[in-house]
Amino acid sequence: GAGVSQSPSNKVTEKGKDVELRCDPISGHTALYWYRQRLGQGLEFLIYFQGNSAPDKSGLPSDRFSAERTGESVSTLTIQRTQQEDSAVYLCASSQDRYEQYFGPGTRLTVT
Amino acid sequence: AQSVAQPEDQVNVAEGNPLTVKCTYSVSGNPYLFWYVQYPNRGLQFLLKYITGDNLVKGSYGFEAEFNKSQTSFHLKKPSALVSDSALYFCAVSPPQSNYQLIWGAGTKLIIKP
Repeated sequence: GAGVSQSPSNKVTEKGKDVELRCDPISGHTALYWYRQRLGQGLEFLIYFQGNSAPDKSGLPSDRFSAERTGESVSTLTIQRTQQEDSAVYLCASSQDRYEQYFGPGTRLTVT
Repeated sequence: AQSVAQPEDQVNVAEGNPLTVKCTYSVSGNPYLFWYVQYPNRGLQFLLKYITGDNLVKGSYGFEAEFNKSQTSFHLKKPSALVSDSALYFCAVSPPQSNYQLIWGAGTKLIIKP
């Protein structure tokens, strides 16, 4: 079946603009995660959705970051008033139960 | 606090030699354990997992990992390294009460030299 997809694959934006990143998880996966990965670095947890429960937003770095998920499907990560330090690859993953997370290809965000 | 440690930022191995990438964890209970690989300019790929049972688990691309409960370790191994194994490797742990979240190691860069 189809894997996790993300769009756009690349996004270049000017400082101060808002951006919206999209993630389509694997069908049937109840859990969805957003991570940020700076060049050559590890994964930085941002937010986690599990079914209809309230999302775990503990990793969001500032109130400029927000995310939504419609049921158990598409999720969007929004960054308002982008800053240069927001430049990174944003990874989305989905999982079923406590088993492995499946990752999308990521969105490379460049803020100029 | 629960944590995962990958003590080596980088591991260098000659092609054909065995390789080990280390991972230790500090998690209460019986966690699930995972290894992921990230090739250059690509997303993360699942390699293998330990849930229960045999302490030696086998995964993709000839990799295996050994779960050692007493040492709280889950080291990744391969008997004979290939240049194409060069990548960034992440260890991750799912604690029993994690609600599906993973605790991630910082990653180890594996370089295989011809």
